[in-house]
Amino acid sequence: EVQLVESGGALVQPGGSLRLSCAAFRFTSSSYWMNWVRQAPEKGLEWVASINEDGSEKSYVDSVKGRFTISRDDAKNSVYLQMNSLRDEDTAVYYCARWGEGLDCWGQGTLVTVSS
Amino acid sequence: EIVLTQSPGTLSLSPGERATLSCRASQTVSNSYLAWYQQKPGQAPRVLIYGASSRATGIPDRFSGSGSGTDFTLTISRLEPEDFAVYYCQRYGSSPWTFGQGTKVEIK
Repeated sequence: EVQLVESGGALVQPGGSLRLSCAAFRFTSSSYWMNWVRQAPEKGLEWVASINEDGSEKSYVDSVKGRFTISRDDAKNSVYLQMNSLRDEDTAVYYCARWGEGLDCWGQGTLVTVSS
Repeated sequence: EIVLTQSPGTLSLSPGERATLSCRASQTVSNSYLAWYQQKPGQAPRVLIYGASSRATGIPDRFSGSGSGTDFTLTISRLEPEDFAVYYCQRYGSSPWTFGQGTKVEIK
């Protein structure tokens, strides 16, 4: 069964940085657009960023542009989200998701809490 | 940015009943790039429908999607106990991708 496993979530102070990782198992992540989607506590889903198969195209929601960077390492079959200048409103569970038939494979999520 | 508005916010139904969920877009969704997801408490979302009407692999045929342009519908023909959850529509294609705010289907 295909699987995505996120890691790297933590409690961080406003203005701090964090790097999330997403490892893919039993499929080749470089064959897919890969995405990050977040969900604030008791709120809905928000798409955050996408990266295409070869890493040449990246897109972001406006609220994270200039602060977050999505990247991929095909040798490690992994995708990353570098988050800088974190704000209170970035507090959320961050999911990694594969684009196939829709977002058809999701990780379990990793919690990022931004608080002083 | 295309805003998706889902209605109703909450749907109270009994097992065996039919559920009809609506997703309205603020602008035309090109190529019917509209997906539907189900999310249960403490779990990641699961895709049900993509391309407005194509069922994802492994999804039971009681789930169906329809619509085009700005109006889309998810129908659950006969609710099973495991179908009580929150449902989200999502527009994809050009950036930014957006989600609706969700419809909760609860047991009456």
